[in-house]
Amino acid sequence: GAVVSQHPSRVICKSGTSVKIECRSLDFQATTMFWYRQFPKQSLMLMATSNEGSKATYEQGVEKDKFLINHASLTLSTLTVTSAHPEDSSFYICSARSRDWGNTGELFFGEGSRLTVL
Amino acid sequence: GENVEQHPSTLSVQEGDSAVIKCTYSDSASNYFPWYKQELGKRPQLIIDIRSNVGEKKDQRIAVTLNKTAKHFSLHITETQPEDSAVYFCAARRAQKLVFGQGTRLTINP
Repeated sequence: GAVVSQHPSRVICKSGTSVKIECRSLDFQATTMFWYRQFPKQSLMLMATSNEGSKATYEQGVEKDKFLINHASLTLSTLTVTSAHPEDSSFYICSARSRDWGNTGELFFGEGSRLTVL
Repeated sequence: GENVEQHPSTLSVQEGDSAVIKCTYSDSASNYFPWYKQELGKRPQLIIDIRSNVGEKKDQRIAVTLNKTAKHFSLHITETQPEDSAVYFCAARRAQKLVFGQGTRLTINP
């Protein structure tokens, strides 16, 4: 099956610093990648949709200047949490769809990145 | 936009019994309904999915039913085993977006 790799799996940073999370599709080309945020014991909330070569589309209430998304190639999307604060601590998960989305519908998820801001 | 409601939030069943989790969705244009299993600190894993042109789908001990008219779909797990314990999420997709339900924490008691 398709593999999506996310890095780092865990990161601890000081308040005010920026953190970059990478999401890679290892064996398929991902025209679209999605970034989700999951608080403890809660559901996955879609933050933004990232299309290769174009600007990301952010969900309502998500600050685009706070969460910078770059999808420079068909296999890599990055999420940068700028000037992180303790309330940004969360589990961030990326997902990707392959070119044949219309046939399978399946999303492939990365392992997730647990961000802790001190 | 799409809104997905999932019930119950927690479910505890005896090993060997069946478990049923229900979801409703709001957008009649949604056409794809996957179910994910997530263990603590891990990524969601797709366990079964159904498209809007199908009413039921089964894969061994897992089945999903869809009622388009009522806009609800359900997950059925039979002969439950301890390894079925996890958090289960339903989701509904319209166009590109996949919207998740709130999750159900399923506990299988030995």
